[in-house]
Amino acid sequence: EDQVTQSPEALRLQEGESSSLNCSYTVSGLRGLFWYRQDPGKGPEFLFTLYSAGEEKEKERLKATLTKKESFLHITAPKPEDSATYLCAVHDNYGQNFVFGPGTRLSVLP
Amino acid sequence: DVKVTQSSRYLVKRTGEKVFLECVQDMDHENMFWYRQDPGLGLRLIYFSYDVKMKEKGDIPEGYSVSREKKERFSLILESASTNQTSMYLCASRMDRGPTNTGELFFGEGSRLTVL
Repeated sequence: EDQVTQSPEALRLQEGESSSLNCSYTVSGLRGLFWYRQDPGKGPEFLFTLYSAGEEKEKERLKATLTKKESFLHITAPKPEDSATYLCAVHDNYGQNFVFGPGTRLSVLP
Repeated sequence: DVKVTQSSRYLVKRTGEKVFLECVQDMDHENMFWYRQDPGLGLRLIYFSYDVKMKEKGDIPEGYSVSREKKERFSLILESASTNQTSMYLCASRMDRGPTNTGELFFGEGSRLTVL
């Protein structure tokens, strides 16, 4: 059974203080790993897809990396508008479902 | 831009009422999904549909049914709402890119249902 865990559960950063969020997964054949951002009361917004170990993707202050067991979302010099819950999800080779992690709630203080 | 529209952002219903949640996507996506999201439990799949009139149970289908009569529209039905179905419901759609590739899910804004 596919499983996704995320750590930490919550993270408080000062503006400009870089950090990383972790997503650990077990999956029977990875088809893709996804990162989403979710603001309170809204639906998740797609950020990145990673397909294979060693792959990296960047968007503004965010950089996602992937190994065979985990993915990291690095946040460089965050701003208060980066405050949100970040969700990780995996899609395996055998079905249509995406398995989501519980999320990391990020707060960036000015 | 892909747009997934959920008909109601907030609903309040009474126990035993029938509830319809509607979702429409405008990108001709084959796959559509209904999730519910609860604190501490994350997103859990209720049902998905990979084509018109086709549906598959997800992880928590009990107490729910779905309908997909047209490609762009996927409805979630609660035949007799109960208090434990109070939750945020999220619809998503996805392009089917075949068995060797995967497309991301695009989500609607969510429907927050409260059952009293």
